Amino acid sequence: ELKVEQNPLFLSMQEGKNYTIYCNYSTTSDRLYWYRQDPGKSLESLFVLLSNGAVKQEGRLMASLDTKARLSTLHITAAVHDLSATYFCAVFSGSGNTGKLIFGQGTTLQVKP
Amino acid sequence: DTEVTQTPKHLVMGMTNKKSLKCEQHMGHRAMYWYKQKAKKPPELMFVYSYEKLSINESVPSRFSPECPNSSLLNLHLHALQPEDSALYLCASSRYTSEVKRTDTQYFGPGTRLTVL
Repeated sequence: ELKVEQNPLFLSMQEGKNYTIYCNYSTTSDRLYWYRQDPGKSLESLFVLLSNGAVKQEGRLMASLDTKARLSTLHITAAVHDLSATYFCAVFSGSGNTGKLIFGQGTTLQVKP
Repeated sequence: DTEVTQTPKHLVMGMTNKKSLKCEQHMGHRAMYWYKQKAKKPPELMFVYSYEKLSINESVPSRFSPECPNSSLLNLHLHALQPEDSALYLCASSRYTSEVKRTDTQYFGPGTRLTVL
């Protein structure tokens, strides 16, 4: 069964600093997603990564995928307070209409002034 | 419009009550999902509907009963719940891409915060 692990689970960082969240998964998958969740709110889609070497960037966030290593990274550049949230990676398991997303545990990011 | 709506936003119910959660999307998505999320945990998949047919039931207790009346609506009927069922219930939807039965990004609704007394 596919397992997805994120680390770190909690990250406290200062504004202006850079950091990376890691997402490892245990078996082959053809797509990986990153979501953001603010406290008490729903999940917002950030990135979809579909192929080996895929890199996507939006503002201060950049996500990449290495399917051979079964690893995705979410890199934060020059963090600002507005980025404080919980970030989930999710990997698609299965196929067709019996496939589903398997979520990592989530990384709670706290950006301090 | 990438919006999934859910009603109600909050629900408090007793263990003997019957209530329903409602989810709606008008994006033409043919896959719809129910998730349960406890505090500080990732969402857990409960049910998946594909083209209005139940395709995944993640061994959810029968006190949760899903229904998909049409391609835009998804309901979750609740009966005889337990206090441990208190959680945020999220609905999501996704489209099928041009590849055979390959689904796209899941868009999540705002959720219903359920408290069972």
